[in-house]
Amino acid sequence: DAKTTQPNSMESNEEEPVHLPCNHSTISGTDYIHWYRQLPSQGPEYVIHGLTSNVNNRMASLAIAEDRKSSTLILHRATLRDAAVYYCIPRIQGAQKLVFGQGTRLTINP
Amino acid sequence: DGGITQSPKYLFRKEGQNVTLSCEQNLNHDAMYWYRQDPGQGLRLIYYSQIVNDFQKGDIAEGYSVSREKKESFPLTVTSAQKNPTAFYLCASSSDRAYEQYFGPGTRLTVT
Repeated sequence: DAKTTQPNSMESNEEEPVHLPCNHSTISGTDYIHWYRQLPSQGPEYVIHGLTSNVNNRMASLAIAEDRKSSTLILHRATLRDAAVYYCIPRIQGAQKLVFGQGTRLTINP
Repeated sequence: DGGITQSPKYLFRKEGQNVTLSCEQNLNHDAMYWYRQDPGQGLRLIYYSQIVNDFQKGDIAEGYSVSREKKESFPLTVTSAQKNPTAFYLCASSSDRAYEQYFGPGTRLTVT
């Protein structure tokens, strides 16, 4: 399993963009990069995933470096409901399991 | 509404007792998973099942057992052999080889 490095915590203000970084320098060529988030006392929820090119969905954008050794999850306009722990997870193509690290605890200030 | 249910939300047991945590899904997913989360930590995979009547050990299966007799149900038994059973237990499901796992609300087990 590829190792990931994420900041333990980050803080931002409501209605501002948030950029959550993740280093995954040992990722293999066929590993997808997944992001999940976990709100307090809840199960994780899927946010977004990608392989090589940048991806957008209704929740966020995922920017993947050209060498794929890092990626950034972008919340375009943070709300208080975005306060959560965000997990960056490389996932082998076709593999069932997800390997969770400690993630980044995001605090949003009103 | 489609989703995953786990019951109960909180569970208290005495040391030495086995306890079974329930997980049901009505998403028609083939694969189901059990994870454990300790305070301030990420999730760790206990067991997973890709199809009825089949399951595989995850990274921390010792002291746990599962069954998959029905597609929609994947109960987890925490046995007395599990040294530190107090934790937050999360069940998830996914369709075959899908990118997204759907998680239940979790069961917080306390053993004293």
